[in-house]
Amino acid sequence: EAGVAQSPRYKIIEKRQSVAFWCNPISGHATLYWYQQILGQGPKLLIQFQNNGVVDDSQLPKDRFSAERLKGVDSTLKIQPAKLEDSAVYLCASRKEGRGVETQYFGPGTRLLVL
Amino acid sequence: DQQVKQNSPSLSVQEGRISILNCDYTNSMFDYFLWYKKYPAEGPTFLISISSIKDKNEDGRFTVFLNKSAKHLSLHIVPSQPGDSAVYFCAASGHGGATNKLIFGTGTLLAVQP
Repeated sequence: EAGVAQSPRYKIIEKRQSVAFWCNPISGHATLYWYQQILGQGPKLLIQFQNNGVVDDSQLPKDRFSAERLKGVDSTLKIQPAKLEDSAVYLCASRKEGRGVETQYFGPGTRLLVL
Repeated sequence: DQQVKQNSPSLSVQEGRISILNCDYTNSMFDYFLWYKKYPAEGPTFLISISSIKDKNEDGRFTVFLNKSAKHLSLHIVPSQPGDSAVYFCAASGHGGATNKLIFGTGTLLAVQP
C-alpha cells in the first residue's frame, strides 16, 4: 500500500511570505496529524484531524498557522506570514481508526527554510 | 517544559556491540512508551513499544526496558549493525495510547561503526 505523501519536499521563502504544504494520507486512514520538527528537537504535534473534524489543535499558533482537511482525505497546512522560527520539517502522519498510537505512519516531511 | 528527555544527543558504537539509548520522562500520566527510528529525509518509523504494566518488551535485536519508579526507559540493540545508524526518538502517550497523542523526546543520533 502507498505511504503518506507530502509535497513539496523542500521550500525556501522569505519571512512574511506565505507557504502551504500538502499531505495525502494512506487510503482509508481517518486520522491525520501535522507535526513540526525544529532542528535538534523531536516532532511536536500541531493539529490532529479525525475525518474532516479537528480533534486537537492546542499547539497550533492560530495567528499564523491554519490547516484544513476537506472531504476527510487530503490536508493542507498553511503559514501566513512566515517567521524565521518557522524553519523546520513539517511531518504529516495518518492512522487507521480504531488502531493504536503506534500505527501512526509518517510521511517524508517538507523541509521549510525561512530567510 | 520538556516532558520527555533524551540527554544524549549522539552515541557511537562498534558493529556487533550493544547500543543503549536512554530516555527520561516527567509526567506520571504517561503509560505507553514508544521508540521511533528516523533516517535522513524520511519520516520516523515505529520500532518498538512498551506499556507501563510491563518492565520489558523484546522484538528480535531490540529490547525496551521500563523503570516506572525512576521514570526511565532504555532501548537496547544487540548486536548493533551499521544499518541501525539513525536518529532514535523516544515518545510517550497517555491512557494506554488511547489518546493517540505522542510527546517526543529530542532524539539520539546513533552511529554504528563497521
